[in-house]
Amino acid sequence: DQQVKQNSPSLSVQEGRISILNCDYTNSMFDYFLWYKKYPAEGPTFLISISSIKDKNEDGRFTVFLNKSAKHLSLHIVPSQPGDSAVYFCAAVIMNYGGATNKLIFGTGTLLAVQP
Amino acid sequence: ETGVTQSPTHLIKTRGQQVTLRCSSQSGHNTVSWYQQALGQGPQFIFQYYREEENGRGNFPPRFSGLQFPNYSSELNVNALELDDSALYLCASSLGLGQGSPLHFGNGTRLTVT
Repeated sequence: DQQVKQNSPSLSVQEGRISILNCDYTNSMFDYFLWYKKYPAEGPTFLISISSIKDKNEDGRFTVFLNKSAKHLSLHIVPSQPGDSAVYFCAAVIMNYGGATNKLIFGTGTLLAVQP
Repeated sequence: ETGVTQSPTHLIKTRGQQVTLRCSSQSGHNTVSWYQQALGQGPQFIFQYYREEENGRGNFPPRFSGLQFPNYSSELNVNALELDDSALYLCASSLGLGQGSPLHFGNGTRLTVT
C-alpha cells in the first residue's frame, strides 16, 4: 500500500527553466510533508518542508505547494541548475498519531536531470 | 560538526548469515532512525531509537533488531539474512522528536545477500 506516490520516475529540464516535481498521498492523517534530495552514493539531504496548515512554503529557489483537498504537493525549483540533478523524494509524517515521532513515509523518488 | 557516519559502506553476506551495521549520530543528536532502501524504491522505516529506547517500528520482522548506546550511536542487526534483504541501509539522526527535528542521513551501507 503506497501511501506516498511520485508517479514520474524521471524529469528532464533545461538549465534556467522551472522544474516541477509532483507527489500525491492517500492518507489524510499526514500533517507534515518534506522533500529530500539524494545524490548517488550519498544519503538523502533535507530540502524543504511544509505543514498541513499551510499551502505554500518558500526557501530561495525552492517552493513547495500543498493542495490538501487534492492530496497533492509539488516542489518548484526556479531557476533550475545542473547541480540540482539528483533524485528527489517526497515524504510525509503523521505527527499526532501514537505520540511524537518523526517516522517518514517516502515516495519512490523522481530523477531530475537539468541539462546545461 | 561531525555528520552521520555509517560503517561499513559495502557488505556482502550469504543467505542465512547475520549482519551488524553501525551508525554514529551527528554530534548532539539523541534520536536515531534506520531505513531500508531497496533498488528503485524510497526509503522504508525500520525503527527509531530515542534515548536508548525503541520509539516506533515499521513493518519489518523481528529478525531486524537494533540498539542505541549511551553515546547515541546505534546498531542494526539482521539475523537469518534473505535475498530480499539486499538493499541500502540508511541511518538518520535528529535532535529529539517532532517536526522541528529534520532527519540527517548518513551515506548508507550497501548490503548484498547472495
